[in-house]
Amino acid sequence: GAVVSQHPSWVICKSGTSVKIECRSLDFQATTMFWYRQFPKQSLMLMATSNEGSKATYEQGVEKDKFLINHASLTLSTLTVTSAHPEDSSFYICSANPIAGAYEQYFGPGTRLTVT
Amino acid sequence: AQSVTQLDSHVSVSEGTPVLLRCNYSSSYSPSLFWYVQHPNKGLQLLLKYTSAATLVKGINGFEAEFKKSETSFHLTKPSAHMSDAAEYFCVVSDTGRRALTFGSGTRLQVQP
Repeated sequence: GAVVSQHPSWVICKSGTSVKIECRSLDFQATTMFWYRQFPKQSLMLMATSNEGSKATYEQGVEKDKFLINHASLTLSTLTVTSAHPEDSSFYICSANPIAGAYEQYFGPGTRLTVT
Repeated sequence: AQSVTQLDSHVSVSEGTPVLLRCNYSSSYSPSLFWYVQHPNKGLQLLLKYTSAATLVKGINGFEAEFKKSETSFHLTKPSAHMSDAAEYFCVVSDTGRRALTFGSGTRLQVQP
């Protein structure tokens, strides 16, 4: 149980275009989902917290107009990288918190974005 | 504010020998602490968690960790390393208010045959 999927797993896009990444909790409902970014050989950095039915909370330094987050249902959150640039190339990972009051999170396999 | 410090960026052990991955934390509250493992091209997997119950926590694949408040440590151990344990390990602390996780910088475990 507690499986999180991400789609796509790998995407290449041209500079200036937008890319949408989906995060789904497959066998549980998640009121809260999180988006992280991981650079090569580095740790995960929290980008934003996504609550179902409300606006996402962005971490300091994360551009909310560039990284659009939508959490329209209890099993789906999306991250859209708008007007992508090569510096946006990274590994994007989502996680979901399945039970209110518990602190563990279940992670998706990640999406590798390459902007050319 | 909360943070975790993983004291070793890289640890190399021989198969069958003990593993020790060190982690120190800083938290204003009673923390929830986790260890996650990341294998290449795979998602993060929860190894174990501490949430103010027993201080010695047993996880999957023979790993365990001991919460020591006096030392603000949460070191990960395993009695005997296996080749399949080679991966990146992250010590993580939870912000009890937001449930957001703060990751350590990671320790790459290498297991030599």
